[in-house]
Amino acid sequence: DIQMTQSPSTLSASVGDRVTITCRASQSISSWLAWYQQKPGKAPKLLIYKASTLESGVPSRFSGSGSETDFTLTISSLQPDDFATYFCQQYDNYSWTFGQGTKVEFK
Amino acid sequence: QITLKESSPTLVKPTQTLTLTCSVSGFSLTAPGVGVGWIRQPPGEALEWLALIYWGGDKRYSPSLKRRLTINRDSSKNQVVLTMTNMDPVDTATYYCAHSRIDTTSGWYILDYWGQGTLVTVSS
Repeated sequence: DIQMTQSPSTLSASVGDRVTITCRASQSISSWLAWYQQKPGKAPKLLIYKASTLESGVPSRFSGSGSETDFTLTISSLQPDDFATYFCQQYDNYSWTFGQGTKVEFK
Repeated sequence: QITLKESSPTLVKPTQTLTLTCSVSGFSLTAPGVGVGWIRQPPGEALEWLALIYWGGDKRYSPSLKRRLTINRDSSKNQVVLTMTNMDPVDTATYYCAHSRIDTTSGWYILDYWGQGTLVTVSS
């Protein structure tokens, strides 16, 4: 299996901050990476796919970058609704795997 | 509007077989480029993909759980069913089903709409 490692596991930030989350794959996955947002007790929500393509309806303050093994999710100006846990997921082959998650909490 | 809703027993005993049902609306299970997948999340832990069934009937399973999983669909009922055999307390998790669409630039599928999940506890 391809292992996905996210960092940090927890991030403390304030409204208006620029936030960056990193995801590293154990082997090259080209650009076949998605990012999800999950709030407590809720289903994950797709934010970005193909490493940098914003899903329809997702605010433009979210952006993704990277390729091969190293990827980044950036929130340009953190909003109150953005405090949540974020997961990356590779879909490079038929065995999908997720990162362990990054919780973005109030500083 | 695409919606998915999971249903299952809330409590199963060790060694029993779990049957999860995903009832969908807003799309056809046989529409080209569509799939339905199952993913689980133990309390406080990461997501784990389990299985996927494609519009044409092809199926994919997590290699680590393949021997225990079977995914099927009933298009007439708009349902996808996942069975997991030999349940163990470590299988306690929230189980999600999700709509999957093809990313035409890669040919791979992405999970774009998720159900709310169903919590299954394995305990004697």
